Amino acid sequence: GNSVTQMEGPVTLSEEAFLTINCTYTATGYPSLFWYVQYPGEGLQLLLKATKADDKGSNKGFEATYRKETTSFHLEKGSVQVSDSAVYFCALTPMNYGGSQGNLIFGKGTKLSVKP
Amino acid sequence: DGGITQSPKYLFRKEGQNVTLSCEQNLNHDAMYWYRQDPGQGLRLIYYSQIVNDFQKGDIAEGYSVSREKKESFPLTVTSAQKNPTAFYLCASSLQGHPQPQHFGDGTRLSIL
Repeated sequence: GNSVTQMEGPVTLSEEAFLTINCTYTATGYPSLFWYVQYPGEGLQLLLKATKADDKGSNKGFEATYRKETTSFHLEKGSVQVSDSAVYFCALTPMNYGGSQGNLIFGKGTKLSVKP
Repeated sequence: DGGITQSPKYLFRKEGQNVTLSCEQNLNHDAMYWYRQDPGQGLRLIYYSQIVNDFQKGDIAEGYSVSREKKESFPLTVTSAQKNPTAFYLCASSLQGHPQPQHFGDGTRLSIL
């Protein structure tokens, strides 16, 4: 089956520290991969995506590279800010979903707290 | 501005009562989804709809029902058969095709009185 595994949080960093949130997946076919961010009390916002192997998604200083050989999509940022404090979700959409189902399969989320 | 509107933001249900959560989108998206989020858990798919008048069960459909009479609207009813309804409910929509990112509403938090 399809599944996503993220590193457990919470992750607490000081401002300007380097961030890595690990994400690995299990999927049939060639999934598309996503990172979503959720700020307190809000819905999810798409942070970045990658649709094929070796693609790098990037947005707002965050990056993630689709690694098929290691089935990973780790999220990185070189220098975090207090405003990056949120919950981050790794997700996939299976490629062979048979009829454009298009639903997302999520990891459990990783809470990030950035201290000044 | 285009987006997804969920209402109400907070909802309380009495034992044995059905409640309906609203989801409206003006993004002209064909597909719509309902997810449930529990603390420390990822999102789990309840129902989804790819087109008007058609919808499919997700992973945890028991105790829930939906309708899709209009493209813009995808209401979710939490029935009395759902024994543990306290959760954060998120509605999403997307264009058809693959892969299309999903756009989320701000959610409805349902609690039991």
